Amino acid sequence: AQSVAQPEDQVNVAEGNPLTVKCTYSVSGNPYLFWYVQYPNRGLQFLLKYITGDNLVKGSYGFEAEFNKSQTSFHLKKPSALVSDSALYFCAPRASGTYKYIFGTGTRLKVLA
Amino acid sequence: SQTIHQWPATLVQPVGSPLSLECTVEGTSNPNLYWYRQAAGRGLQLLFYSVGIGQISSEVPQNLSASRPQDRQFILSSKKLLLSDSGFYLCAWSGADRRNTEAFFGQGTRLTVV
Repeated sequence: AQSVAQPEDQVNVAEGNPLTVKCTYSVSGNPYLFWYVQYPNRGLQFLLKYITGDNLVKGSYGFEAEFNKSQTSFHLKKPSALVSDSALYFCAPRASGTYKYIFGTGTRLKVLA
Repeated sequence: SQTIHQWPATLVQPVGSPLSLECTVEGTSNPNLYWYRQAAGRGLQLLFYSVGIGQISSEVPQNLSASRPQDRQFILSSKKLLLSDSGFYLCAWSGADRRNTEAFFGQGTRLTVV
């Protein structure tokens, strides 16, 4: 079965510090990989994606993610966290050749002032 | 530009009543369409997806059904709601073009079954 894991239920980080939100996946082939952010009672917003090419991809709001094929990971990063980054973050692989996005349980990021 | 509309934003329905949630997409044609449910503010569960008019794939057997009567319209329905149907329902679309791979979400409908 295809799956995604975000091992940390919550990540706390001080404002101005770097942040990492972890994601590993088990999806056949070469999946497309996505990160989304959700603010309370809102829909999900697309942050960034990896399709092919450079392992480090940059996205919205200063976020970036690093793809590691051997570890089947796609960790979300940001060099300097803002309080406004506090939200729920989802990693979502999509197997190539399919239309289904696989969402995990998400990681709640809390940035402390 | 493309936009997705989902309504209503909130809904309180009694057990046993019917349900109809509507989602429409503008600015694109032949989108892939999705219904997700999010329980307790956490993980998303894919309920249905559609790659074309009248083509519906169901992911989880349940009390709900979906229909796609027009290219950019996706409807989630139930004949009789259960308490367990409460949750946050999200509609999404993605492009049929392989270059447009990400999904875009509506603002969601908070359904409370009482």
